[in-house]
Amino acid sequence: GAVVSQHPSWVICKSGTSVKIECRSLDFQATTMFWYRQFPKQSLMLMATSNEGSKATYEQGVEKDKFLINHASLTLSTLTVTSAHPEDSSFYICSANPSPIKSTGELFFGEGSRLTVL
Amino acid sequence: QQQVKQSPQSLIVQKGGISIINCAYENTAFDYFPWYQQFPGKGPALLIAIRPDVSEKKEGRFTISFNKSAKQFSLHIMDSQPGDSATYFCAASGNAGNMLTFGGGTRLMVKP
Repeated sequence: GAVVSQHPSWVICKSGTSVKIECRSLDFQATTMFWYRQFPKQSLMLMATSNEGSKATYEQGVEKDKFLINHASLTLSTLTVTSAHPEDSSFYICSANPSPIKSTGELFFGEGSRLTVL
Repeated sequence: QQQVKQSPQSLIVQKGGISIINCAYENTAFDYFPWYQQFPGKGPALLIAIRPDVSEKKEGRFTISFNKSAKQFSLHIMDSQPGDSATYFCAASGNAGNMLTFGGGTRLMVKP
């Protein structure tokens, strides 16, 4: 199956600093990637849709200036949490949409990145 | 607005038993319904998925039942094993490969 890699898998940072999380599709190209956030014992909530070569589309309530998304190539999308605060501590998960879309419609998920802001 | 409602929130099943998780959706434009399994600290992994043109799909011990008129679908895990203990999420999307709307999740524990 297709592989989506996230890095780092976990990160601890001080309040006020910025953290970058990478999402890579290792063996396929992805014009679209999705970023989700998951709080403990809760479901995955879509934050934004990342489109290669264009601006990301953010879900309602997600601050685009705080969660910067860059999708500069067909295999890499990055999420930067700017001026992180303790309430940003969460599990961030990306998923990638293969191009062309598989007939099964399957999305492939990364292993997640756990952010802890002190 | 929660577009996909999942129940129960938690489930305890004896080894060898049947685990049943239910989901209901509201958006009639949804046409792809996957189930994901997630272990602690890991990303979700696709278990099985169904489209509205069939009422049931079976893969090994996992079966999805789909009721289009009721806008409901369920996951059945036959012969449940302790290794099946995880959180299960149903999801839905309007187009193949498009963004998913997830249910609230069900924490399954299979007791030996």
